[in-house]
Amino acid sequence: QKEVEQDPGPLSVPEGAIVSLNCTYSNSAFQYFMWYRQYSRKGPELLMYTYSSGNKEDGRFTAQVDKSSKYISLFIRDSQPSDSATYLCAMSPNAGNMLTFGGGTRLMVKP
Amino acid sequence: DAGVIQSPRHEVTEMGQEVTLRCKPISGHDYLFWYRQTMMRGLELLIYFNNNVPIDDSGMPEDRFSAKMPNASFSTLKIQPSEPRDSAVYFCASSFALLAGVNNEQFFGPGTRLTVL
Repeated sequence: QKEVEQDPGPLSVPEGAIVSLNCTYSNSAFQYFMWYRQYSRKGPELLMYTYSSGNKEDGRFTAQVDKSSKYISLFIRDSQPSDSATYLCAMSPNAGNMLTFGGGTRLMVKP
Repeated sequence: DAGVIQSPRHEVTEMGQEVTLRCKPISGHDYLFWYRQTMMRGLELLIYFNNNVPIDDSGMPEDRFSAKMPNASFSTLKIQPSEPRDSAVYFCASSFALLAGVNNEQFFGPGTRLTVL
């Protein structure tokens, strides 16, 4: 079993829909949680970052962490075709930058 | 700054050949990471450097893989001899510090797509 699990998708939604992307993990030492967005044939880029449990909002994006369930989510409101990409969750124990990535979920937002 | 630069962008080689991937990190970043991405295994950390010194190479799959960082602006990942199962996209990333977070995020290069026939 992988340390971080993520449904590979693809997830196809119409423009304007609310998107929910999720990851589960097994290592209770993880405290730093990140979401990266990766466009086709590009490197990942940091989208959201949260520490420990709770919510964080940035524009149309909301990241949620539930450490008791070892479950994190990324919500995208009013999804746009430009949001079409692969979304990778990443986690790190303590304060280190040694990231463990999920396999990524491919999202397609159709106009 | 041009961001993290990787070369070549694409590499096609035959099994048994030596492959060298190159990376130029963002100026001023003290940490450099090499990752491998495949459909089956996702994004895996291979090795990372701090101030040109290899700190953790536990992700390097085999002795066929080696990485060096002769100076702050250049790193190489070498595979010798290459095998078809090494086919993947190899990413280099750099960061200012080791602390995870927005101010210390890892910036990724565009990757090198390696195909070993």
